[in-house]
Amino acid sequence: DIQLTQSPSFLPASVGDRVTFTCRASQGISSFLAWYQQKPGKAPKFLIYAASSLQGGVPSRFSGSGSGTEFTLTISSLQPEDFATYYCQQLNNYPFTFGGGTKVELK
Amino acid sequence: QVQLQESGPGLVKPSETLSLICTVSNDSLSGYYWSWFRQSPLKGLEWIGHIYHNGNALYNPSLESRVNMLVDTSRNQFSLKLTSVTAADSAVYYCARAPPYMMRASDVWGPGTRVAVSS
Repeated sequence: DIQLTQSPSFLPASVGDRVTFTCRASQGISSFLAWYQQKPGKAPKFLIYAASSLQGGVPSRFSGSGSGTEFTLTISSLQPEDFATYYCQQLNNYPFTFGGGTKVELK
Repeated sequence: QVQLQESGPGLVKPSETLSLICTVSNDSLSGYYWSWFRQSPLKGLEWIGHIYHNGNALYNPSLESRVNMLVDTSRNQFSLKLTSVTAADSAVYYCARAPPYMMRASDVWGPGTRVAVSS
């Protein structure tokens, strides 16, 4: 199985900050990567697929980049509703796998 | 707007079968993959498998010997059965839609249903 390692696990931040976090794959997955946002007690919310394609309705402050084994998710100006846990998922090989998540919390 | 809703028992006894149904509203099953996931503090988010609208299914090898998924197009539902459950199968279970044109990423999710395995 392809392992996804997300860093950092916890990211203290303030409203208005530009935040970036990373997802590293144990082998190359081209651009077959998705990002999700999850808030406590809720289902994951789909943000990005193909590493950088924003799902309709997702604010433009979210952006994704990368290919191969290293990917990033950036929030250009953190808003109060963005405090959540973010997961990456690889879709290149079965079984699809997720990273362990990055929790963005209030500094 | 498409909506998904999981349903099934919240408590299953060890060694028995976990059965869940996902009902899809405001969309057809045709043309999509339909996925099941689970999430627990121990294992995090885990892809259980997905099934295409024509009934072709792919499962996570770690669960393949115990999993079966079916689609019921007449009821606009798809289902998950997991046999011989243990406490390690306790989790929140989610169903989701996975469009082929989005690399089978899951764009719409149900709210999830918590399943505990206990006697």
